Amino acid sequence: NAGVTQTPKFQVLKTGQSMTLQCAQDMNHNSMYWYRQDPGMGLRLIYYSASEGTTDKGEVPNGYNVSRLNKREFSLRLESAAPSQTSVYFCASSGRDRGGETQYFGPGTRLLVL
Amino acid sequence: QKEVEQNSGPLSVPEGAIASLNCTYSDRGSQSFFWYRQYSGKSPELIMFIYSNGDKEDGRFTAQLNKASQYVSLLIRDSQPSDSATYLCAVNGGTGGGNKLTFGTGTQLKVEL
Repeated sequence: NAGVTQTPKFQVLKTGQSMTLQCAQDMNHNSMYWYRQDPGMGLRLIYYSASEGTTDKGEVPNGYNVSRLNKREFSLRLESAAPSQTSVYFCASSGRDRGGETQYFGPGTRLLVL
Repeated sequence: QKEVEQNSGPLSVPEGAIASLNCTYSDRGSQSFFWYRQYSGKSPELIMFIYSNGDKEDGRFTAQLNKASQYVSLLIRDSQPSDSATYLCAVNGGTGGGNKLTFGTGTQLKVEL
């Protein structure tokens, strides 16, 4: 049981390049999320998917797109990377566990945009 | 605009002492409250959650919730150097919340030998 996995762990992009961050979970959770974490800003929700086939914008969706490929996988795409997108990106999934709806996080992707 | 406020710290406590971490939230409709621990360079990991007013204990950790004051806290008893980390408060539910969480910016805890 790997929980939530993310690839890649690190990435360096040049401004204008595109890339896709991959996320998968093996906990049979319905809901999945993408966050970014910046110093002093905390975790901010980019997009989320309440269930397979649905996606919704979070707090900071501009410059990103997502795809809920199936129940296990939720990808985040940067079409034209900008230096402001330099951040640590976390994927999470949530389900009923320990008596409540709880979110579990992947290990993160560290992205540097030059 | 939902807000979750935490003192950024650092909060320094001696080994063996009780660490008290505090969090306030703005949305009165919020329904559930979470504490996560995040070590430097790592992802957040869930410590515990609380739904009802009062205290909830889990090992050395106690979460306290006061909905009237819109205040939630985390107490760590017998603090250890391994507890040194950033503690994130998160709030779920309320107006249009669904299962989404709103996070505070975290409090850095340092447990000193």
